[in-house]
Amino acid sequence: DGGITQSPKYLFRKEGQNVTLSCEQNLNHDAMYWYRQDPGQGLRLIYYSQIVNDFQKGDIAEGYSVSREKKESFPLTVTSAQKNPTAFYLCASRSDGRISQANQPQHFGDGTRLSIL
Amino acid sequence: EDKVVQSPLSLVVHEGDTVTLNCSYEVTNFRSLLWYKQEKKAPTFLFMLTSSGIEKKSGRLSSILDKKELFSILNITATQTGDSAIYLCAEDSGGSNYKLTFGKGTLLTVNP
Repeated sequence: DGGITQSPKYLFRKEGQNVTLSCEQNLNHDAMYWYRQDPGQGLRLIYYSQIVNDFQKGDIAEGYSVSREKKESFPLTVTSAQKNPTAFYLCASRSDGRISQANQPQHFGDGTRLSIL
Repeated sequence: EDKVVQSPLSLVVHEGDTVTLNCSYEVTNFRSLLWYKQEKKAPTFLFMLTSSGIEKKSGRLSSILDKKELFSILNITATQTGDSAIYLCAEDSGGSNYKLTFGKGTLLTVNP
């Protein structure tokens, strides 16, 4: 079945450590997004990518980095510079609608919950 | 200042009740308004609204957009315990990147 797979489901980070969250999709979607969700805050955009080898900062990019070497993969690294990394991280993807000509919604993975040790 | 404002932030009802969730947004380069349902993990897509006054319906859920007053409502009739979730509203404010701006969500609890 096509979908978006995020791993791991739970992750613990030690002080000063970088950790990488995986996001893989087999939907042949061009655009991919990373969001952070905190209680009572809704979803906030960290980074997004519309095409391989290109990505843009979102609203809260500080302390995070991404890469987009393959269409199906968009990993997020939470660096030691991110002082408050405890949150639920959601990855999303979207078809660019070139075939259907219609505006397409974003679809989400099941998320990774990151906590500080 | 928040661009997308949802109300109420939380709501508790009994099974069988009808609920209305509200979402107001800013007009800058508006392209569409989306509703998602989030239970424990992934938000699942419910509706995308682009035109004013046209109701979208799926079973007991329906939604409508008012582009003049800049708001949308999500109605759920004959609520069931399985409707308990966070309901997220998001605005697609145009541009080639299709970025979404989310509201804080409405936490709906349906008691038996």
